[in-house]
Amino acid sequence: EDKVVQSPLSLVVHEGDTVTLNCSYEVTNFRSLLWYKQEKKAPTFLFMLTSSGIEKKSGRLSSILDKKELFSILNITATQTGDSAVYLCAVGGGSNYKLTFGKGTLLTVNP
Amino acid sequence: SAVISQKPSRDICQRGTSLTIQCQVDSQVTMMFWYRQQPGQSLTLIATANQGSEATYESGFVIDKFPISRPNLTFSTLTVSNMSPEDSSIYLCSVASVSTDTQYFGPGTRLTVL
Repeated sequence: EDKVVQSPLSLVVHEGDTVTLNCSYEVTNFRSLLWYKQEKKAPTFLFMLTSSGIEKKSGRLSSILDKKELFSILNITATQTGDSAVYLCAVGGGSNYKLTFGKGTLLTVNP
Repeated sequence: SAVISQKPSRDICQRGTSLTIQCQVDSQVTMMFWYRQQPGQSLTLIATANQGSEATYESGFVIDKFPISRPNLTFSTLTVSNMSPEDSSIYLCSVASVSTDTQYFGPGTRLTVL
């Protein structure tokens, strides 16, 4: 059974701090790892990673994948209160296009 | 990415009743999925909605409880049948194109069963 484990489960920081969110996985026939941000109901897509060592970057957010050690990190620099959300990690693998999600990291950024 | 809408956005229902949730996409997509997110939990896949044929259900989910239709490439419905308070969740549809894992989510339906 595919498994995705995120840590920490929750995190409280002050504006301007840098945070690192972790995601480890066990999946058959790995294809990709995805990060989503969920603020209210709908997760919004952030990154999809398929290759080790290649950083994906969007503004203050960046992510990298290590396929040997089976993990990914999501970095957020100079955090803002608008970054407060649940960050979900998901992996795709196998012969279909289903995603397996982790439990998420609840990030709270205080002013 | 596609624009996805869901109706209703929220509802409060009595136990024993059924609710049908609609998911509409503004362009043709290959893959459509239905997820459930119970309070404080992550997303759990209910089923893959297949155009013109029966949905593919995940372990623990059955067609009698969660019938799904997908008459074309832009529309799907999920019915939550004979509801109980344990069905109180956010229900999300998502879409993807073939050959990619990237799924885009609709705005979700928050269901409360009393």
